[in-house]
Amino acid sequence: QSALTQPPSASGSPGQSVTISCTGTSSDVGAYDSVSWYQQHPGKAPKLMIYEVTKRPSGVPDRFSGSKSGNSASLTVSGLQADDEADYYCSSYAGSSIYVFGTGTKVSVL
Amino acid sequence: EVQVVESGGGLVQPGGSLRLSCAASEFTISNSWMHWVRQASGKGLVWVSQISSSGSSTGYADSVKGRFTISRDSAENTLYLQMNSLRAEDTAVYYCARGGYRYAWDLWGQGTLVTVSS
Repeated sequence: QSALTQPPSASGSPGQSVTISCTGTSSDVGAYDSVSWYQQHPGKAPKLMIYEVTKRPSGVPDRFSGSKSGNSASLTVSGLQADDEADYYCSSYAGSSIYVFGTGTKVSVL
Repeated sequence: EVQVVESGGGLVQPGGSLRLSCAASEFTISNSWMHWVRQASGKGLVWVSQISSSGSSTGYADSVKGRFTISRDSAENTLYLQMNSLRAEDTAVYYCARGGYRYAWDLWGQGTLVTVSS
């Protein structure tokens, strides 16, 4: 049950786009269309942003989009806004009733 | 308001036990897959355990298997996490989360802090 690999940090200027990668294995990310993404502001609970790789829950802006290729998934945040500055975590089902999170990426809006 | 509220955290000595509770409001936990996720201070999220909507299936991270037990009381609409043989590395904020979507958690509590220290 190794954590999925994410870059420690990413940044962009307001209005620009930033893409965060999430790399797993053929047993988790590559095996299931189960990748979800969470936004977490300091001291707050995580918030679901993307589920089942590409789907957005109601209320999440379409500036947030997800994709997957092989054993890697990505979250793209377009039109960066100040409030997008947060930690982002990916997650994947890994089979046998087990889930795994990514290592987390701190997104900074310059 | 649809929400989950955790309680039961606190300071416990290594080797001790603690039971966390997660009270659900405005939805029925027996209709949902429910999970526990933890986060050590300054660290990332770690999935801990799940229980199926039927209650017949549970899952645990390797790091807690054999020590933690997830359960629920449908009458009380409350989720539990019984934690035994606690270790310093179990120190974290523990979140209760609802699996409102397949493979994803759409509702989170505010968390309850567990500190394992002598």
